[in-house]
Amino acid sequence: GAGVSQSPSNKVTEKGKDVELRCDPISGHTALYWYRQSLGQGLEFLIYFQGNSAPDKSGLPSDRFSAERTGGSVSTLTIQRTQQEDSAVYLCASSLAWGTENEQYFGPGTRLTVT
Amino acid sequence: KNQVEQSPQSLIILEGKNCTLQCNYTVSPFSNLRWYKQDTGRGPVSLTIMTFSENTKSNGRYTATLDADTKQSSLHITASQLSDSASYICVPTGTASKLTFGTGTRLQVTL
Repeated sequence: GAGVSQSPSNKVTEKGKDVELRCDPISGHTALYWYRQSLGQGLEFLIYFQGNSAPDKSGLPSDRFSAERTGGSVSTLTIQRTQQEDSAVYLCASSLAWGTENEQYFGPGTRLTVT
Repeated sequence: KNQVEQSPQSLIILEGKNCTLQCNYTVSPFSNLRWYKQDTGRGPVSLTIMTFSENTKSNGRYTATLDADTKQSSLHITASQLSDSASYICVPTGTASKLTFGTGTRLQVTL
């Protein structure tokens, strides 16, 4: 079946603009995760969803970042007033259920460049 | 704070050769450890998962080892192929919801 998809694959935006990144998880996966990967760095956890709820938002870097999930499926990560340090690859993953024993399946990521 | 250190940072080997990648971690309490392979421009893909009681697990030419006492893991790649060129990421997991990813080892297999 289809894997995790993300859109857009690349996004170039001017500093100060808002951006919205989309993630379509694998059908039936109740858990969804957002990560950020800066050049040469490991993946940084941002937020996860169980269904439409986000129990842990502590990984969001600032109040400019927000995420939502609707219908237990599609999720969007919104970055307001983008800064150059927001430039990174944003990865989404989904798993059948929440829990570290459940394999997370990753999308190809969205490469965000803030100029 | 949970930390993960991987070595070497990068590695170049000839096709057909073997190599071993190392991972030291401080995650506690410990639940399981995964090794991921991340091709350039792609998301990570899980290679193996090991729990506290497992010492060795193989997946084709990939063999992972785990010493939960010393908090060390390794990933051994046998008879490397060009397609093995990627970043290999160690992810030890505790009881927290957040995963702690290592920065990875960048492997390049050449002719």
